[in-house]
Amino acid sequence: DAKTTQPNSMESNEEEPVHLPCNHSTISGTDYIHWYRQLPSQGPEYVIHGLTSNVNNRMASLAIAEDRKSSTLILHRATLRDAAVYYCILSFNAGGTSYGKLTFGQGTILTVHP
Amino acid sequence: NAGVTQTPKFRVLKTGQSMTLLCAQDMNHEYMYWYRQDPGMGLRLIHYSVGEGTTAKGEVPDGYNVSRLKKQNFLLGLESAAPSQTSVYFCASHRNYGYTFGSGTRLTVV
Repeated sequence: DAKTTQPNSMESNEEEPVHLPCNHSTISGTDYIHWYRQLPSQGPEYVIHGLTSNVNNRMASLAIAEDRKSSTLILHRATLRDAAVYYCILSFNAGGTSYGKLTFGQGTILTVHP
Repeated sequence: NAGVTQTPKFRVLKTGQSMTLLCAQDMNHEYMYWYRQDPGMGLRLIHYSVGEGTTAKGEVPDGYNVSRLKKQNFLLGLESAAPSQTSVYFCASHRNYGYTFGSGTRLTVV
């Protein structure tokens, strides 16, 4: 599986935008980019995913570089509830069925200051 | 709609004892997974299933067995628990994009 590199930790202030980077220089053409987050004492939670184009949903935006070697998760206005570990994961999806094992790295610990 | 439910939430075992962790999902998902998470680390895949009656090994399968007799249930068994299996265990399921995870089972082996 292609690997991802994320900063160990980042800090933000409440109500400010947060840009969480992820490098994946060995990504293959069939790898989707997924983001999950894990709040303290909870299971991971799906945030967003994409293949080539930028994506937006109610939780966040995903900006994917043109060469797909990096991506950025954007939280438009951080809240205290966004404090979590954020995981950037690549997953092969075969035949349109979206089957793919998720390989979790260490992730980025996001601290949000009031 | 409960999502993914894990039973039990907490358990303390003595070395050598056996137990089964139950994962149940009510979303009619095909794929189910068992992960473990150790302090300060990401999740590691133990076993997974791509459908009823099928199972496969993940990254760290040793010491664990699984069964998927019904589509909605995925069982993780420890035949002879060891202190190295002290961890938080997460079950997940999905059909299309977006995995749904359970809230975890915290297992301590003494």
